[in-house]
Amino acid sequence: DIQMTQSPSSLSASVGDRVTITCRASQGISSWLAWYQQKPEEAPKSLIYKASNLQSGVPSRFSGSGSGTDFTLTISSLQPEDFATYYCQQYADYPRTFGGGTKVEIK
Amino acid sequence: EVQLVESGGGLVQPGESLRLSCAASGFTFSNYWMGWVRQAPGKGLEWVANIKHDGSEKYYVDSVKGRFTISRDNAKSSLYLQVNSLRAEDTAVYFCARDSSTNNWSNYFDYWGQGALVTVSS
Repeated sequence: DIQMTQSPSSLSASVGDRVTITCRASQGISSWLAWYQQKPEEAPKSLIYKASNLQSGVPSRFSGSGSGTDFTLTISSLQPEDFATYYCQQYADYPRTFGGGTKVEIK
Repeated sequence: EVQLVESGGGLVQPGESLRLSCAASGFTFSNYWMGWVRQAPGKGLEWVANIKHDGSEKYYVDSVKGRFTISRDNAKSSLYLQVNSLRAEDTAVYFCARDSSTNNWSNYFDYWGQGALVTVSS
């Protein structure tokens, strides 16, 4: 199975900060990586697919990069509605696997 | 508007069974791969199963193989997850999700339902 490792597991940031979350795959997955945002008691929401493509309707302050084994999700200027938990997921192979999540909290 | 609405969750005893349903609307259901993802209380996301648009291919995480069965009824725009021999560690919110793919290989999940809680406890 492909293991997905996210870091950090949590972070504290202020509105307006630039935030970067990393995700590492245990083997190469090309660009078959998605990022999701989940707020408490809500369903996950798709943000980024194929490593760097923005899902329709997602604000442009979100961006993704990387290929192979190392990926990043960047929020260029953190907004109040961005405080949530973020997950990466590989879809290069079965079983599909998620990272452990990164909780973005208010500083 | 894409909508996915799960039902069928509840409290069951270890060893019992449930059938989760997901009613889809707002898109041509028969064109898309679909899947189930679960989330144990306070934990992260775990992919459970995927099914191809015509039901000809199904994939499962190892921990549920032989106990869970994913199926679909394209005429009813509905996805199902039959969960048997339930264990305490199956306690989770089960999300129905639409895969973005309409071709022969599944991709990522672009739309998610609100989830159905399954609690396994004696």
